[in-house]
Amino acid sequence: DADVTQTPRNRITKTGKRIMLECSQTKGHDRMYWYRQDPGLGLRLIYYSFDVKDINKGEISDGYSVSRQAQAKFSLSLESAIPNQTALYFCATSLASNQPQHFGDGTRLSIL
Amino acid sequence: GESVGLHLPTLSVQEGDNSIINCAYSNSASDYFIWYKQESGKGPQFIIDIRSNMDKRQGQRVTVLLNKTVKHLSLQIAATQPGDSAVYFCAEISAGGTSYGKLTFGQGTILTVHP
Repeated sequence: DADVTQTPRNRITKTGKRIMLECSQTKGHDRMYWYRQDPGLGLRLIYYSFDVKDINKGEISDGYSVSRQAQAKFSLSLESAIPNQTALYFCATSLASNQPQHFGDGTRLSIL
Repeated sequence: GESVGLHLPTLSVQEGDNSIINCAYSNSASDYFIWYKQESGKGPQFIIDIRSNMDKRQGQRVTVLLNKTVKHLSLQIAATQPGDSAVYFCAEISAGGTSYGKLTFGQGTILTVHP
């Protein structure tokens, strides 16, 4: 979905480095989400935000932090990356909690 | 705990056949369900959704069936095409409580369509 843009698309880095993944959307949605996908698994929720002043932890928030800089921007940070954070990361947005979530094309993150 | 899962991890069909992908869920409080398609290198793409006050919904070549009695969801794809090859996920949104608004995904089914 081109309305949800994630950068970078791919990143390789070393253990202990700080990483920031960015997400921007042009859909005008208040709700934004960060997910992690591992091979053979579905998506797992890391953090979500229902508006600029609202940040909530998902099921696997340890080792991650987020910042909602504006309605259109939601970034995910790994303060000190570790190899088991190697995964595909997806950002999503939704108009409301009972509406479909729209996903970006993901960031493939590899931590050596 | 809450979970959404799939009976079959892989499904292979011939082009032109109908495909059925199944999903079981455990949270009886869920009131909204979505099917997503994920192609290689891309994010999940919305296919069709259904709310708990319905038992069937049709889209273009796709039908979703919801059986709340047995907590079962299925996606039917008519006249399956090679372009339908992808991973299909069911997902559930909780109606309330501490999980309100959170999307819970199943593990996914790999659909392969042979020409």
